[in-house]
Amino acid sequence: QKEVEQNSGPLSVPEGAIASLNCTYSDRGSQSFFWYRQYSGKSPELIMFIYSNGDKEDGRFTAQLNKASQYVSLLIRDSQPSDSATYLCAVNIRGSNYKLTFGKGTLLTVNP
Amino acid sequence: DAMVIQNPRYQVTQFGKPVTLSCSQTLNHNVMYWYQQKSSQAPKLLFHYYDKDFNNEADTPDNFQSRRPNTSFCFLDIRSPGLGDAAMYLCATSRMGQGPNQPQHFGDGTRLSIL
Repeated sequence: QKEVEQNSGPLSVPEGAIASLNCTYSDRGSQSFFWYRQYSGKSPELIMFIYSNGDKEDGRFTAQLNKASQYVSLLIRDSQPSDSATYLCAVNIRGSNYKLTFGKGTLLTVNP
Repeated sequence: DAMVIQNPRYQVTQFGKPVTLSCSQTLNHNVMYWYQQKSSQAPKLLFHYYDKDFNNEADTPDNFQSRRPNTSFCFLDIRSPGLGDAAMYLCATSRMGQGPNQPQHFGDGTRLSIL
């Protein structure tokens, strides 16, 4: 079983819609969860991080964490064409509070 | 602005010719990481430094080495690059402290091509 799994997509949404990106992880002991945005040919850029169950909102972005079900999601409201990118989910490695395991990412396309 | 800077942005080298990639940071973070990322794949951690302590991943080839002469700088040396080493190399930093993981901050990456 892969440690961090994401649907590779592409996920296609119209401009102005809500984009929902999902990530599941295998280590029940994971404590820290991160979402990165990566444009083609560029490096990952931190979008949000979440440590506790529930929702965390930052502007148009909401991270949702459910540790019992071992999933974390990212919602993007009022999606814009500039949101078109690959979104990487990252989870801390058990026993380390500074190493992460990354998923392969979900490619999001926002259509004007 | 505090940041992570990688040089060069693009590097072309010949098969078997040693190459060094550099990373510097102004964030004063105590952990520095090197990742390799190939197209449509997740970033793969090669090694990291926690302060001066070097930590190699078990599956990182011996061909890859790293140096961290001070807090601000870290280098990735590829001793004999093969065609399979063509990739984006990402440097990242984070601050390790008590409590949960702190976010990692990435530089712009170095795209390495092998002729």
